[in-house]
Amino acid sequence: GAGVSQTPSNKVTEKGKYVELRCDPISGHTALYWYRQSLGQGPEFLIYFQGTGAADDSGLPNDRFFAVRPEGSVSTLKIQRTERGDSAVYLCASSSRGQPSGGGTGELFFGEGSRLTVL
Amino acid sequence: EDQVTQSPEALRLQEGESSSLNCSYTVSGLRGLFWYRQDPGKGPEFLFTLYSAGEEKEKERLKATLTKKESFLHITAPKPEDSATYLCAVQASPDSWGKFQFGAGTQVVVTP
Repeated sequence: GAGVSQTPSNKVTEKGKYVELRCDPISGHTALYWYRQSLGQGPEFLIYFQGTGAADDSGLPNDRFFAVRPEGSVSTLKIQRTERGDSAVYLCASSSRGQPSGGGTGELFFGEGSRLTVL
Repeated sequence: EDQVTQSPEALRLQEGESSSLNCSYTVSGLRGLFWYRQDPGKGPEFLFTLYSAGEEKEKERLKATLTKKESFLHITAPKPEDSATYLCAVQASPDSWGKFQFGAGTQVVVTP
């Protein structure tokens, strides 16, 4: 596709429920990232995939959070037993290869995010 | 611990009134400093990457500069369409490219 696509754009759920958020990266991008952004704050790193494997999941806040990317393209962020503190915008980003070479920009391309509200 | 602090938190400008945003950082080893623009309800949009002290990048009315401890985003003769939140981020990890540490952002409003 033309850009990073995230669904749903909005999700309202009740405390204790299970939630899945989907990210479709730019075609051909091997690196995929999940960030979380709370109101008035900058994005906070959660997890980074290079291909199918999670290269760095050090930002996942606890074991209720899990992400997969089984075929190296689409990724799903899964949140179990949601809590009110999980309410935030979950941003997905992708890049062509990760580490830039030759003075490249190394930019991440972000989607518009999935806004999660836990009541 | 790596830290990124942006100031001011908010900035209100008249159209044509130039100003600068500050991003100060404390990292063990800077591998890149990034500026992004974020419009309400949208994801961050890339503006610049700076790699070393003394480097400058320009795009239209925006110019980013980098020293060993901070970066500035200069907005020259802003227009209302420059209204957005400007985010600064650093890449410190040598292993996980894209594992950025973001600041909280500066919200800029430009009035006609």
